[in-house]
Amino acid sequence: EPEVTQTPSHQVTQMGQEVILRCVPISNHLYFYWYRQILGQKVEFLVSFYNNEISEKSEIFDDQFSVERPDGSNFTLKIRSTKLEDSAMYFCASSELRAREAFFGQGTRLTVV
Amino acid sequence: SQKIEQNSEALNIQEGKTATLTCNYTNYSPAYLQWYRQDPGRGPVFLLLIRENEKEKRKERLKVTFDTTLKQSLFHITASQPADSATYLCALDVSGNTPLVFGKGTRLSVIA
Repeated sequence: EPEVTQTPSHQVTQMGQEVILRCVPISNHLYFYWYRQILGQKVEFLVSFYNNEISEKSEIFDDQFSVERPDGSNFTLKIRSTKLEDSAMYFCASSELRAREAFFGQGTRLTVV
Repeated sequence: SQKIEQNSEALNIQEGKTATLTCNYTNYSPAYLQWYRQDPGRGPVFLLLIRENEKEKRKERLKVTFDTTLKQSLFHITASQPADSATYLCALDVSGNTPLVFGKGTRLSVIA
């Protein structure tokens, strides 16, 4: 069964450093998303991406965040200068069509120290 | 303000019984409502989607209802098993063209 894969599974970084989280969405899906979940809290939307551009972003997705689809398969989230409060699980998701079920990856646990 | 509330943080039931989880929302008019399962340290897994013009949807032991007047969805697991123990998330898609907004989830424990 096709799945969304994310790497790395766990990343520890120093405050102020840049991190890149990587995702390979399901191949025939057209919509890609990043969500995050701070420990014990709800899953929060960050950004959606369609047709090689951002289609929507939340207030959380400020200038320190960026997304890219550098080739036909990868979808990345870059955090330019990490803060302690960026520590969370980051989930990539993809969907075939806009109003359909989203398929989530297993997440990257980001720890900023 | 807009809110999604799932009835309780935790729900314990006996194996074999029906688990009923509630999702209430305010100041939304969702076109779709979805339910996901999340195991500790893992990503959400899609279970069911119900549209605003549908009253009920079933899949195996799962059933979802959607009452747009009450602004509520109920999620039922019949003949529950210990393997059903997980956190269940309700998610709204407001217009069919917006990202999912998640509730905080209900942690279900099925006791053998």
